[in-house]
Amino acid sequence: DAGVIQSPRHEVTEMGQEVTLRCKPISGHDYLFWYRQTMMRGLELLIYFNNNVPIDDSGMPEDRFSAKMPNASFSTLKIQPSEPRDSAVYFCASSQQGFSYEQYFGPGTRLTVT
Amino acid sequence: ELKVEQNPLFLSMQEGKNYTIYCNYSTTSDRLYWYRQDPGKSLESLFVLLSNGAVKQEGRLMASLDTKARLSTLHITAAVHDLSATYFCAVNTGNQFYFGTGTSLTVIP
Repeated sequence: DAGVIQSPRHEVTEMGQEVTLRCKPISGHDYLFWYRQTMMRGLELLIYFNNNVPIDDSGMPEDRFSAKMPNASFSTLKIQPSEPRDSAVYFCASSQQGFSYEQYFGPGTRLTVT
Repeated sequence: ELKVEQNPLFLSMQEGKNYTIYCNYSTTSDRLYWYRQDPGKSLESLFVLLSNGAVKQEGRLMASLDTKARLSTLHITAAVHDLSATYFCAVNTGNQFYFGTGTSLTVIP
């Protein structure tokens, strides 16, 4: 398997623009997680899905953020409108059958909002 | 909110030496994870610890969990340069994961 795939790897956008980050989990993994990493706040869990259903989105910073998982092989994280403070590395991870199993992280998307 | 503290934050050690990284957390937790991150790279899962007294070893790294003390340790034996990286612990409680601030390890030849 190719591992978790994320696109784009780098995104530079202007404040106010819509940003969509994409993730393809490892085939057969039931759980998908979106994380954000910044120097100031470290690593934060934003939202996670189980069998394509959002389970906990309490980490989503505000209404400008939304995430979907229309099928088992694809998820998106959207920011609309984007702000400079959204600049971060966004990681997607997947795992089998929940928290007792290790999570496999994608390469991340480095987002810069100017 | 659960707090996860790692120490030290920075660690410089000579090759061949042993050292331990500590991870303390502030409330009851079911699961404890250790990750490695190389500069500019993603996270790599090292260990998943699921119960009190759990101990896991992989190569020169050994992790343990004491849920009563709310403490996990990552022990490095006979460090080599390839172990230079940032190490994170993370704690799962309920539906949330909380990460420590990370320990930046540099192994000096």
